Amino acid sequence: KAGVTQTPRYLIKTRGQQVTLSCSPISGHRSVSWYQQTPGQGLQFLFEYFSETQRNKGNFPGRFSGRQFSNSRSEMNVSTLELGDSALYLCASRPGTVNYGYTFGSGTRLTVV
Amino acid sequence: GIQVEQSPPDLILQEGANSTLRCNFSDSVNNLQWFHQNPWGQLINLFYIPSGTKQNGRLSATTVATERYSLLYISSSQTTDSGVYFCAVDPKGSQGNLIFGKGTKLSVKP
Repeated sequence: KAGVTQTPRYLIKTRGQQVTLSCSPISGHRSVSWYQQTPGQGLQFLFEYFSETQRNKGNFPGRFSGRQFSNSRSEMNVSTLELGDSALYLCASRPGTVNYGYTFGSGTRLTVV
Repeated sequence: GIQVEQSPPDLILQEGANSTLRCNFSDSVNNLQWFHQNPWGQLINLFYIPSGTKQNGRLSATTVATERYSLLYISSSQTTDSGVYFCAVDPKGSQGNLIFGKGTKLSVKP
């Protein structure tokens, strides 16, 4: 079955713009999480959605937001982009309970200029 | 919050050598996973191993939850094993919040 699909793979944006990233989880997976990876901070948790509800949120400013649709697909949005938002954004999905591991997508590499 | 420490941070091996990567965590966890990050950035799941021992080909992993550590063994290493290996834990009482270690960067020389 298909894995976790993230689009787009690469993105270049200008400071001050906003961006929307998309994640389609594995069929049947209801939990979707987002992570940011930078050389300085490593992999950091952004938020997690389950059945269209945000269950957990990391320590990021309000410019970072997300949502999940009824088909479990998820989007994350970053408004008023800053240079420091340049990062690899990774999405992961799992069936929904804590007794399963996560499967990650290939990521979206965002560059803010 | 929970701390995840991986060692060593860097490892250089000759092809064919064996290695052990370690992950220590500071509190109880629901689960633990080992990932290999490929050159394109994707995190490839190696093991979902909250406790016990698992093997998959040349790779095996052991987690001793009561002592809060996990080990990843790579035997007969190949150049394709190069990359960064991450340990990540799902803390008890948390929802969907994987905490990652800083990783071990492995370089396998031919």
